[in-house]
Amino acid sequence: QSALTQPASVSGSPGQSITISCTGTSSDVGSYSLVSWYQQHPGKAPKLMIYEDTERPSGVSNRFSGSKSGNTASLTISGLQAEDEADYYCCSYAGSSTWVFGGGTKLTVL
Amino acid sequence: EVQLVESGGGLVQPGRSLRLSCAASGFTFDDYAMHWVRQAPGKGLEWVSGISWNGGSIGYADSVKGRFTMSRDNAKNSLYLQMNSLRAEDTALYYCAKDRCGGSCTFDYWGQGILVTVSS
Repeated sequence: QSALTQPASVSGSPGQSITISCTGTSSDVGSYSLVSWYQQHPGKAPKLMIYEDTERPSGVSNRFSGSKSGNTASLTISGLQAEDEADYYCCSYAGSSTWVFGGGTKLTVL
Repeated sequence: EVQLVESGGGLVQPGRSLRLSCAASGFTFDDYAMHWVRQAPGKGLEWVSGISWNGGSIGYADSVKGRFTMSRDNAKNSLYLQMNSLRAEDTALYYCAKDRCGGSCTFDYWGQGILVTVSS
């Protein structure tokens, strides 16, 4: 159960697009279409932003999108807004009823 | 409205035990898998344990396997985490999270978390 690999930080200006990567292995990210992404503001509980690699829950802005290729999943945020500044975590099913998170990425909106 | 309210946290000495509870409301509890996820102070999220809708399938992180036991009582709409042989590294905010599926597919609602501090 090794953590998925995410960049520690990313940044972008308002209106720009950014992409956060999440690299796992053929035992987790590469084996299941069960990667999800969570947004967490300071002092708050995480919020589901993307599930099953590419699906967006109702109520989540369509500026958020997910993709996956092989063992690497990605979260793209387009039209960056100040409110998007937060920590983002990816998570993948890892088999045998277990899950694994990434280390988290701090997004700064410049 | 989905509500998940954790309780049972606090300060405990290393080697001792603690039992967390999560009271669920606003959805049909026995239709969904449930999970515990923790976050050490200033650190990232760590999945701890998950249980299927009927308790027939339970998984644990390697870091807690053999020490923690997860269970549920569908009649009481409640989730539990029995934590034994606690260590300093178990200090964290523990979140109860609802799954979107009966088996396990993603965590769509989270409680506000309950703090567990393991220290002498």
